[in-house]
Amino acid sequence: GQNIDQPTEMTATEGAIVQINCTYQTSGFNGLFWYQQHAGEAPTFLSYNVLDGLEEKGRFSSFLSRSKGYSYLLLKELQMKDSASYLCAVMDSNYQLIWGAGTKLIIKP
Amino acid sequence: SQTIHQWPATLVQPVGSPLSLECTVEGTSNPNLYWYRQAAGRGLQLLFYSVGIGQISSEVPQNLSASRPQDRQFILSSKKLLLSDSGFYLCAWRGPGDTGELFFGEGSRLTVL
Repeated sequence: GQNIDQPTEMTATEGAIVQINCTYQTSGFNGLFWYQQHAGEAPTFLSYNVLDGLEEKGRFSSFLSRSKGYSYLLLKELQMKDSASYLCAVMDSNYQLIWGAGTKLIIKP
Repeated sequence: SQTIHQWPATLVQPVGSPLSLECTVEGTSNPNLYWYRQAAGRGLQLLFYSVGIGQISSEVPQNLSASRPQDRQFILSSKKLLLSDSGFYLCAWRGPGDTGELFFGEGSRLTVL
């Protein structure tokens, strides 16, 4: 079966760095997405990786290793507004998205 | 620019009552449209997707149905709601770029009592 694993919850301190991991097992691979979802709101797109390596976008970076079935989202200089759930999703061979359950990130002052 | 809207934002319905959630997209033509449901602590579950008017693909057997009467309109319906239909429903369209990321509507919180 297809599976996306990510931690349920993480806690970090304002101003610090946090890394959210995602491992996947899917039938085929056509890219990996990270989305941010604040409580009660819709997800918003953060990043897309299809090749191995690191993609940097401001305070957020996303890394992919296809051979390991592994990705992480790195958030630097954490702000209180970064408190949200972070969803990992993989596009399979049928170009359908398989979603992880999300990681709830709690930022403390 | 493209926008997507869905409504209503919140609704509380009794078991056995009908449901209609509506989603419209503006600023694009012939979009791929999706209905997802999100239960607490669970990943997004794809319910239906549509590649064109009248073309609906169902991903899971369920108490729900979808219709696409117009190019930029996608409707999620039920004739008789069950308690298990409660959840956060999200409409989305796939962007035109190479990445094909999804853009979501505001979401509809359904509580079935």
